[in-house]
Amino acid sequence: DIQMTQSPSTLSASVGDRVTITCRASQSISSWLAWYQQKPGKVPKLLIYKASTLESGVPSRFSGSGSGTEFSLSISSLQPDDFATYYCQQYDTYATFGQGTKLEIK
Amino acid sequence: EVQLVESGGGLVQPGGSLRLSCAASGFTFSNYWMHWVRQVPGKGLVWVARTDSWGSGTSYADSVKGRFTISRDNAKNTLYLQMNNLAVEDTAVYYCIRGRGVINVFDYWGQGTPVTVSS
Repeated sequence: DIQMTQSPSTLSASVGDRVTITCRASQSISSWLAWYQQKPGKVPKLLIYKASTLESGVPSRFSGSGSGTEFSLSISSLQPDDFATYYCQQYDTYATFGQGTKLEIK
Repeated sequence: EVQLVESGGGLVQPGGSLRLSCAASGFTFSNYWMHWVRQVPGKGLVWVARTDSWGSGTSYADSVKGRFTISRDNAKNTLYLQMNNLAVEDTAVYYCIRGRGVINVFDYWGQGTPVTVSS
């Protein structure tokens, strides 16, 4: 099974900051990686797929990069609406999610 | 508008069974692979099962293989998850999800139905 490890588990930041979340796969997954945002009491929302392709309607301040085993999600200028939990997910073999990164207000 | 509405969750004793349903609308159901993903409240997401658009090709997480069965009725636009021999560790919110094409990217999620396994 492919394991996904995110870091950090919790990230404190302020509005306007640039933040980066990292996701590591236990084996190469090429670019078969997606990122989701989940707010409390809501279902996850797809942000990025194929490591760097922005889903339609997602603000351009979100970006993804990486391939193989190392990936990252960046938010260029945090907005109040961005404070949430973020999950990476590999879809090279079935599907596995990272444990999540909670982005909280500093 | 794509809508996925789950039902069938509830409280069941260990060893018991439940069947979840997911009514789909707003898209051509028979064209899409469908999935179930579960989440323990406050915890992470775990993929459970997948079916191809015909219902003939299915895959399962190791943790549910042999106990859960995913199926679909394209005439009724409905996805199912039959869960047998339930364990306490199966307690979670179960989400019905539309896959993007034949890849396991999850673009539309239902609101989820809670399953509690407890004596």
